[in-house]
Amino acid sequence: NAGVMQNPRHLVRRRGQEARLRCSPMKGHSHVYWYRQLPEEGLKFMVYLQKENIIDESGMPKERFSAEFPKEGPSILRIQQVVRGDSAAYFCASSLIDRSGTYEQYFGPGTRLTVT
Amino acid sequence: QQQVKQSPQSLIVQKGGISIINCAYENTAFDYFPWYQQFPGKGPALLIAIRPDVSEKKEGRFTISFNKSAKQFSLHIMDSQPGDSATYFCAARDDKIIFGKGTRLHILP
Repeated sequence: NAGVMQNPRHLVRRRGQEARLRCSPMKGHSHVYWYRQLPEEGLKFMVYLQKENIIDESGMPKERFSAEFPKEGPSILRIQQVVRGDSAAYFCASSLIDRSGTYEQYFGPGTRLTVT
Repeated sequence: QQQVKQSPQSLIVQKGGISIINCAYENTAFDYFPWYQQFPGKGPALLIAIRPDVSEKKEGRFTISFNKSAKQFSLHIMDSQPGDSATYFCAARDDKIIFGKGTRLHILP
């Protein structure tokens, strides 16, 4: 059973360009979470999605950032007009929710975004 | 507002010693407290987790101690090994996971 997959692993963008980060959840998982990790910091929640629905985007910056999880295909985190402050590691996690309502989140290897 | 406070920031322990990392939380709605281990260039991996109705949980060399009244919990790594050198994050969950800032652990050979 393949784990959570993210690509690309490393992404370099110039200021003003767009960054697209992809996440394929574990097989059978229909819940996806995106986190951002700045150097020497913990992970900060950004957004929680189920297929075709955004459940909680309270951690997403109001501008330039968007996320989707379509019926088919990976989840996409999109950053428009990137700035140097967007440089970070972006992690995706996936989970399923069992009947008791509990779940474990499994993390992907991350995408390291560098804005030059 | 930092909802989960973790200390120390970094820790050096001799091989065979006990590594102790502490966390404190504010929100009494948290219902699940996981610890994650992260190696450089990798994503966090769940190490061990506890619920607030339990005061201690042990898995191999890893033990979580939980003090609900003090709103504190800690990770103990017994017989620490060089392979345990990593960054450890405590976390707490209500409807989403809130992470501490991490402890960089280095075990001396």
